[in-house]
This record gives sequence, structure tokens and C-alpha cells, in this order.
Amino acid sequence: SAVISQKPSRDICQRGTSLTIQCQVDSQVTMMFWYRQQPGQSLTLIATANQGSEATYESGFVIDKFPISRPNLTFSTLTVSNMSPEDSSIYLCSVESWSTEAFFGQGTRLTVV
Amino acid sequence: KNQVEQSPQSLIILEGKNCTLQCNYTVSPFSNLRWYKQDTGRGPVSLTIMTFSENTKSNGRYTATLDADTKQSSLHITASQLSDSASYICVVSAWAAGNKLTFGGGTRVLVKP
Repeated sequence: SAVISQKPSRDICQRGTSLTIQCQVDSQVTMMFWYRQQPGQSLTLIATANQGSEATYESGFVIDKFPISRPNLTFSTLTVSNMSPEDSSIYLCSVESWSTEAFFGQGTRLTVV
Repeated sequence: KNQVEQSPQSLIILEGKNCTLQCNYTVSPFSNLRWYKQDTGRGPVSLTIMTFSENTKSNGRYTATLDADTKQSSLHITASQLSDSASYICVVSAWAAGNKLTFGGGTRVLVKP
């Protein structure tokens, strides 16, 4: 199994500001993903974080709004930019390798006021 | 379009009773099916993962079944405990889609004393 440390666990931010969420895993993993989970909903994939190159975004998500970095096989960041109340959600990091299943971080509960 | 549908959306059961959650999917080509438990405010935690050749897999009081022909799965909870109160999410993986996961909407289970 993989142990994922996601920070911060929660934050309250002013609209128009940006927040960077960090995801650190205790072992090298092939794939890292970022998800959003709105209240009462299931998870929606934002993007796949690719090591050393630009992330692959899903329909409806763009790099300017959700820039992602992945400098190595164990670390990634997601930034929520120019936040509005509609960005209030839980953001989750997930990791997976070809021989293992997906593991999820504890999530970051973001409230934009 | 790949889809995963779960039923019921929510369920209330008395402590000690059993219950069964359903999952139907149309994901193709199928790689594996996973059941996750998500406690409120936490990230999903894996319960079981099954490939097409497996029809049953257990994890303690949780037993998952898979019928790859009818594209149906179920999760049976035996002798429910208060700690089983959570959302249960059915997730299907399709390798050809870059290992992207398709999430069901989840079943919210509340166990009452």
C-alpha cells in the first residue's frame, strides 16, 4: 500500500486568492491524479499529473485555473487559482501503479468566502 | 459513454443487520471493479478489487460479487456496525482509457443502534 500525505487538510480562503495543495506519497508511483468532490457528490477527475511534463486535464478543467506540478514520482501540487465560492469543495490526490490499486489522500476541504 | 450506476442512493439499517448495495456499469473495455468506503470528511479507502475472472471477494464483513457478463456487482455488509456508516463507492477501471476510473455516485449507508 501507499501512504499519502495531503496538505493542508482544510482551509478557508478569500475569493480571488489562490491555494496550493500538496500531495506527498511514501513510495514511487506511476500515476498521480487530482480529483474534486463537491458536497454530496462522487469524485470527478480534474487531471492526471505527469512527471516532468504538463498535466492532462479532463473536459471542463483548464491549466490556468488548476495548474499542476509533478517534479518527481512521489510529489505533486494542485493550485486552485483565482478562487470563487463555486470552488468550495474537497480536493483529493490519488496515486496508482500498474501493479496496485488506487490510494487516496485524506482530502483538502476548501471553503471560499 | 462509460457509466457506473449505484443503488440505492441511501440506506438506513439497524445495527447487526445485513445489507446489499448494487452497482451496474457500462465501462468498456473492463479492467477491474473496486469498492471503496468513504467516511465523512475522509478520502476513499479500498475494500475490494476484482478482475473479470473473479466472482466473489471478501474483506472481513464485506463481500463483493461480480458478474462480468451482466456487468453487475454487489457489496454485501454482514452484521453491520455503527462504524459501517459511510458512503460506499463502486469504481470501474478501463485500461484502454489510460487507467482512468469511472466512479459511481455512491450509496450512503447509515447504521442506527
